[in-house]
Amino acid sequence: RKEVEQDPGPFNVPEGATVAFNCTYSNSASQSFFWYRQDCRKEPKLLMSVYSSGNEDGRFTAQLNRASQYISLLIRDSKLSDSATYLCVVNTRGYSTLTFGKGTMLLVSP
Amino acid sequence: DTGVSQDPRHKITKRGQNVTFRCDPISEHNRLYWYRQTLGQGPEFLTYFQNEAQLEKSRLLSDRFSAERPKGSFSTLEIQRTEQGDSAMYLCASSLFGDRETQYFGPGTRLLVL
Repeated sequence: RKEVEQDPGPFNVPEGATVAFNCTYSNSASQSFFWYRQDCRKEPKLLMSVYSSGNEDGRFTAQLNRASQYISLLIRDSKLSDSATYLCVVNTRGYSTLTFGKGTMLLVSP
Repeated sequence: DTGVSQDPRHKITKRGQNVTFRCDPISEHNRLYWYRQTLGQGPEFLTYFQNEAQLEKSRLLSDRFSAERPKGSFSTLEIQRTEQGDSAMYLCASSLFGDRETQYFGPGTRLLVL
């Protein structure tokens, strides 16, 4: 099992749609979880941290299920500008070493 | 701009040459990380420093790769005797110890080995 697994997509959705991404991780001792966004040929940028109780930031909601070892990201009311690759990130080897999934590509169309 | 900066942004070199990349972290950040990213993959961790100490280097891809952070500020990543397989984006990130280790990335150095 890979350390961090994501469906690579692409997810093609119309503007205004709700879309959800899931990610699974293999190390049950992982402590920190994040979603990063990466635009084509740009660096990853932190979208949001994922907390055990779940958290929301505007149109974005992140959930963590430790028992099943998966993380989700929900995007409501998709915008064209949401088109990007969404990277699931987990610390799997220690507090400071992050492991990235391959990313899920989202394409929002008019 | 107070973000992470990297130099150069692009590098084209011939196989067998040595290359060195520089990263300047966010000024108050004491941790600095190097990653490599190839097409269709997420960033792959290589090494990291806390201040000037290199705390993890077992993930460096081979002994041709080395990194330094001599004064605990900027860092360099060197690749000796480059190979075509080294072509990738090399990303630097920094974080503040204790801040949930949230890492902020620089724009990357894109390396092409001919």
